[in-house]
Amino acid sequence: NAGVMQNPRHLVRRRGQEARLRCSPMKGHSHVYWYRQLPEEGLKFMVYLQKENIIDESGMPKERFSAEFPKEGPSILRIQQVVRGDSAAYFCASSPPQPATQYFGPGTRLTVL
Amino acid sequence: GESVGLHLPTLSVQEGDNSIINCAYSNSASDYFIWYKQESGKGPQFIIDIRSNMDKRQGQRVTVLLNKTVKHLSLQIAATQPGDSAVYFCAVLSGYSTLTFGKGTMLLVSP
Repeated sequence: NAGVMQNPRHLVRRRGQEARLRCSPMKGHSHVYWYRQLPEEGLKFMVYLQKENIIDESGMPKERFSAEFPKEGPSILRIQQVVRGDSAAYFCASSPPQPATQYFGPGTRLTVL
Repeated sequence: GESVGLHLPTLSVQEGDNSIINCAYSNSASDYFIWYKQESGKGPQFIIDIRSNMDKRQGQRVTVLLNKTVKHLSLQIAATQPGDSAVYFCAVLSGYSTLTFGKGTMLLVSP
């Protein structure tokens, strides 16, 4: 039973480029969450999605960031016009219907040059 | 909103000792708490959880204690091993779905 999968594991972008981070939830899980982790910090919630619906995006920056979880395929976190401050580890978690434990993927480490 | 804090950023123990990692939370309405372990370069790994209708829960070598009166959570690891070296986070469920994480305690186990 595969766990949460994320790709790429490492992503390097120059300022102004776009970053696309992908997350495939665990089998049977229909809820996806994205978190950001800065060095030596805890994880900060960004967005919670179910298939084709954004449930809670209270942690998402108002500009440049978007997320989707289509009917088919992985969840995507998209960052447009990246800046150096976007450099961080981005983790995806999934869970079965609420309330339930969230299981995390290995993360994508984004570096903006 | 919820805030979660850990009492000690680093804990150093000898192999075989028991370890205790502490966490405090702010929202008395919080009802679900999780401990995660994060090794370098990896995602958080679920260790154990507890709901607010309990004050203690045991797993394999780990025990979580919840004191709702003082809004305090602790993780006890028995007979700590070098493989337990990692950063430990407590997380509190806020609202419907959001996990609020503390900053983490780095556990260092020396042989």
